[in-house]
Amino acid sequence: DAKTTQPPSMDCAEGRAANLPCNHSTISGNEYVYWYRQIHSQGPQYIIHGLKNNETNEMASLIITEDRKSSTLILPHATLRDTAVYYCIALPNFGNEKLTFGTGTRLTIIP
Amino acid sequence: DAGVIQSPRHEVTEMGQEVTLRCKPISGHDYLFWYRQTMMRGLELLIYFNNNVPIDDSGMPEDRFSAKMPNASFSTLKIQPSEPRDSAVYFCASRRLDSSYNEQFFGPGTRLTVL
Repeated sequence: DAKTTQPPSMDCAEGRAANLPCNHSTISGNEYVYWYRQIHSQGPQYIIHGLKNNETNEMASLIITEDRKSSTLILPHATLRDTAVYYCIALPNFGNEKLTFGTGTRLTIIP
Repeated sequence: DAGVIQSPRHEVTEMGQEVTLRCKPISGHDYLFWYRQTMMRGLELLIYFNNNVPIDDSGMPEDRFSAKMPNASFSTLKIQPSEPRDSAVYFCASRRLDSSYNEQFFGPGTRLTVL
């Protein structure tokens, strides 16, 4: 699986958009970009994933650059409940079931 | 659905004792995963099962650790004998075989403290 690089921590004001970057310069053609988050004392939770097109769901938006070497997770209107560690993972949809979590980005939403 | 269920939620034991962690995956899910999370090593995959069969146990730290899945609705992770360095939060997760994407559903975890 491709290695991903994320900033260790970020702050965002409540109500503003939180933009979390991820670099995955060695991503291969069949690998998707997945985002999970882990709220304190809970298990990780799937957020969104994408291959090359931008994706949006009820939780977030995912913007992937055209060369697929980086992506940004966007939480459009951050709330205090979005305070968590966010993990960016690159892996194929099939053939590899192993999620490899890096150190992630600790996002703190400031009231 | 109740989600992935783990028990106990907290376990405190003494070094040398046997510890058994339990997991009930989401009904209908075909894959079951065991993870361990520590401050030093982060979140690590220990082992995973497909249709009750262990597929990859390369993450199991040593022979003191063993995992079983006797049926589709139950799995155990056993540590015998336990050591202080086994102190961690252990998560169980499950997913469906026919899911078109790699979404794993995690349980609330078991916080293990070995004194």
